[in-house]
Amino acid sequence: DQQVKQNSPSLSVQEGRISILNCDYTNSMFDYFLWYKKYPAEGPTFLISISSIKDKNEDGRFTVFLNKSAKHLSLHIVPSQPGDSAVYFCAARGDLNTNAGKSTFGDGTTLTVKP
Amino acid sequence: NAGVTQTPKFRILKIGQSMTLQCAQDMNHNYMYWYRQDPGMGLKLIYYSVGAGITDKGEVPNGYNVSRSTTEDFPLRLELAAPSQTSVYFCASSYVWGGEQYFGPGTRLTVT
Repeated sequence: DQQVKQNSPSLSVQEGRISILNCDYTNSMFDYFLWYKKYPAEGPTFLISISSIKDKNEDGRFTVFLNKSAKHLSLHIVPSQPGDSAVYFCAARGDLNTNAGKSTFGDGTTLTVKP
Repeated sequence: NAGVTQTPKFRILKIGQSMTLQCAQDMNHNYMYWYRQDPGMGLKLIYYSVGAGITDKGEVPNGYNVSRSTTEDFPLRLELAAPSQTSVYFCASSYVWGGEQYFGPGTRLTVT
């Protein structure tokens, strides 16, 4: 039972346009969500996060939106740049009473930004 | 400040062999994690630690063991390697439990 799902394995966008990466979750007890970016042959790096008490968090070109009723979050990158080409992982953390607060990762979406 | 370091970068093991994957962090984080990533998949938590001397199982602990004798080091032991353990292994640490994690560069392990 996969609790965090990224249903699009890949996404291709043109440089300068918006990239929207989606993530769905099933466990309503998740209280904190994170996005990580991963280049080939490197470890993931933290990108942006959002608490379940918020519905939006913005950091420069990156914005994460959380829709708790739909159990859905999305990462918007505007404008997209070729250097954004990477695998993006969505992760969700349960509160300490749920799964001991462990983080669960989606399978990732490979973003390709074409010049 | 090196962050999270992992050794080795690559390793090929024969079935039944054992090895230890090393992980160290210099950020004084209490929380450390071991993940494996299979091709096309996300990260699966193998073991984690909330501080020196305290470890617990994650999602996929079978075939692995860990220890945490210091804040800095969190080695992962593979006993009796099997082809199913062929994967990329990432070590991570965080300041806050389940918060932003800092990852090492990974160890690519092949068991044949």
